[in-house]
Amino acid sequence: SQKIEQNSEALNIQEGKTATLTCNYTNYSPAYLQWYRQDPGRGPVFLLLIRENEKEKRKERLKVTFDTTLKQSLFHITASQPADSATYLCAFYSSASKIIFGSGTRLSIRP
Amino acid sequence: EAGVAQSPRYKIIEKRQSVAFWCNPISGHATLYWYQQILGQGPKLLIQFQNNGVVDDSQLPKDRFSAERLKGVDSTLKIQPAKLEDSAVYLCASSPLGGTFRGSTDTQYFGPGTRLTVL
Repeated sequence: SQKIEQNSEALNIQEGKTATLTCNYTNYSPAYLQWYRQDPGRGPVFLLLIRENEKEKRKERLKVTFDTTLKQSLFHITASQPADSATYLCAFYSSASKIIFGSGTRLSIRP
Repeated sequence: EAGVAQSPRYKIIEKRQSVAFWCNPISGHATLYWYQQILGQGPKLLIQFQNNGVVDDSQLPKDRFSAERLKGVDSTLKIQPAKLEDSAVYLCASSPLGGTFRGSTDTQYFGPGTRLTVL
């Protein structure tokens, strides 16, 4: 069956370091994927999108990579700040518009 | 630009009762989604509308859940009768296109959600 896996454990890192979050998929052929941020009590907010034929996308301190051989996407936040603390979700979109979200990774940045 | 509106924000009911949620998407957005998010999990797509029509409802428990999108704008999601395991946040999202076109991409804009507690 189709499966999306994110770091199940919360990620706790020091301010200023780079946070790296992982999203793995099996039995799925995504056309593109997106990363969202979700704060407690709020709906997810779109951050970045990457297509199947792209290796890397950047936006300010954010970077996402997409490796279709490894069936994996990595999401990086450089120079992390306490305000970056939130849950981060990956979402895969197939060419048939099937949408699957990962379970999310809770990121905590300590001062 | 106004965002996606949802109401109510919170609802507490007893099992076997009925409940309805309302969503008003961003003006002009063709596609509307309803998700169920259980605590500690990612959103699970329940139903996706493209204008008036249903694109995907494969994960909607049709014996108790129903949804409609009249005139391709507002939408309501109903649960009848509710079970304990329906306790979750119900998120509504809208997008301009719907991600259904090969080669194109789409972004979803989420509402704040409705937190449902079934006792």
